Amino acid sequence: RKEVEQDPGPFNVPEGATVAFNCTYSNSASQSFFWYRQDCRKEPKLLMSVYSSGNEDGRFTAQLNRASQYISLLIRDSKLSDSATYLCVVNTNGNKLVFGAGTILRVKS
Amino acid sequence: NAGVTQTPKFQVLKTGQSMTLQCAQDMNHEYMSWYRQDPGMGLRLIHYSVGAGITDQGEVPNGYNVSRSTTEDFPLRLLSAAPSQTSVYFCASSYSSPAGSYNEQFFGPGTRLTVL
Repeated sequence: RKEVEQDPGPFNVPEGATVAFNCTYSNSASQSFFWYRQDCRKEPKLLMSVYSSGNEDGRFTAQLNRASQYISLLIRDSKLSDSATYLCVVNTNGNKLVFGAGTILRVKS
Repeated sequence: NAGVTQTPKFQVLKTGQSMTLQCAQDMNHEYMSWYRQDPGMGLRLIHYSVGAGITDQGEVPNGYNVSRSTTEDFPLRLLSAAPSQTSVYFCASSYSSPAGSYNEQFFGPGTRLTVL
């Protein structure tokens, strides 16, 4: 079983739609959690950290469920510019981060 | 600030050749790391460093060496290139170790390596 698993998609949604991604992790001792965004053939960039209480940044909401060991990302009012691959990232073991394989989002007009 | 820089952007090697991928950061970050990204597999950690003079192995270290003689530089050496090392390589840095922290990882633009 992979340490961090994501649905690869692609998720094809129209502009203005709400879309949600989930990510599960296997190590219950994991300490910190993130969503990164990666555009085609570019480097990953931090979208948002995921805190235990959940957090929101504009149209983006991230939540953490430690009991079920999953994190989620909700995007409201999708824009064409949201089209990208979204990477779930977990600090599972001390000095290391583990990346999920990514979920592809395509927003269409 | 240039952030994290990587050279070269593209490289083609023949099996058995060696080469060094360069990575530098100008943010005075203590933590640096190397990942490879293959289709459908996400980024996998090759080696990392928590400070000058300290390096450790990640998930897929075989066939790669690193050193960290300065805070700024973290080169990745391919000892004897194999076709299985064809991949996109990303270097990243952060203020300090990710252990129990929410430090942002800053990535370089990547090196696309093909081994024939």
